[in-house]
Amino acid sequence: GEDVEQSLFLSVREGDSSVINCTYTDSSSTYLYWYKQEPGAGLQLLTYIFSNMDMKQDQRLTVLLNKKDKHLSLRIADTQTGDSAIYFCAEGSRAGKSTFGDGTTLTVKP
Amino acid sequence: DAGITQSPRHKVTETGTPVTLRCHQTENHRYMYWYRQDPGHGLRLIHYSYGVKDTDKGEVSDGYSVSRSKTEDFLLTLESATSSQTSVYFCAISGTGLAGGTGELFFGEGSRLTVL
Repeated sequence: GEDVEQSLFLSVREGDSSVINCTYTDSSSTYLYWYKQEPGAGLQLLTYIFSNMDMKQDQRLTVLLNKKDKHLSLRIADTQTGDSAIYFCAEGSRAGKSTFGDGTTLTVKP
Repeated sequence: DAGITQSPRHKVTETGTPVTLRCHQTENHRYMYWYRQDPGHGLRLIHYSYGVKDTDKGEVSDGYSVSRSKTEDFLLTLESATSSQTSVYFCAISGTGLAGGTGELFFGEGSRLTVL
């Protein structure tokens, strides 16, 4: 079946860039997503990228997709303490069903 | 924010008792999902629905059943709760799936269930 993997923890200093990496196995994935979860809350979509794109930029967020290697990354520029959260990579390949990674806990130190 | 309400938000119950979690949406979205979130496992799909009375199993459906008699409500039932079902349960909705849309999911706030 489909599998999505990501590293569990990342710690950066405020103002630095954060890069969260993800690999997936389903070559038929149509969309790749990044969701953010703050403590005690549900997940919220941060950004997504269509599988025929290599890069997508949205303000401080840059998503890179290497479809050949099935590798997705999320770069957060000028990381702030408010960016501390759990970030989930997910892939969508069938009608609305998404497979999620285990989440990367980002800690931003002042 | 998408209009998704989960109830109850917190529940403590004993092994062997039935439990029903409710997800209510005001967005008239076609697709609804139940996920569970556990440390080390991320989010895993339990069941999903693509319309009234149309449901299907996800990857961890054993011990769970669902019903969707109205567009706005999706119920998750644990017929006889076990300690392994202690988890945080999230309902999610999607307007289009991937047919003409991005398949983006909107999540509820979660229901924390503890089975003693």
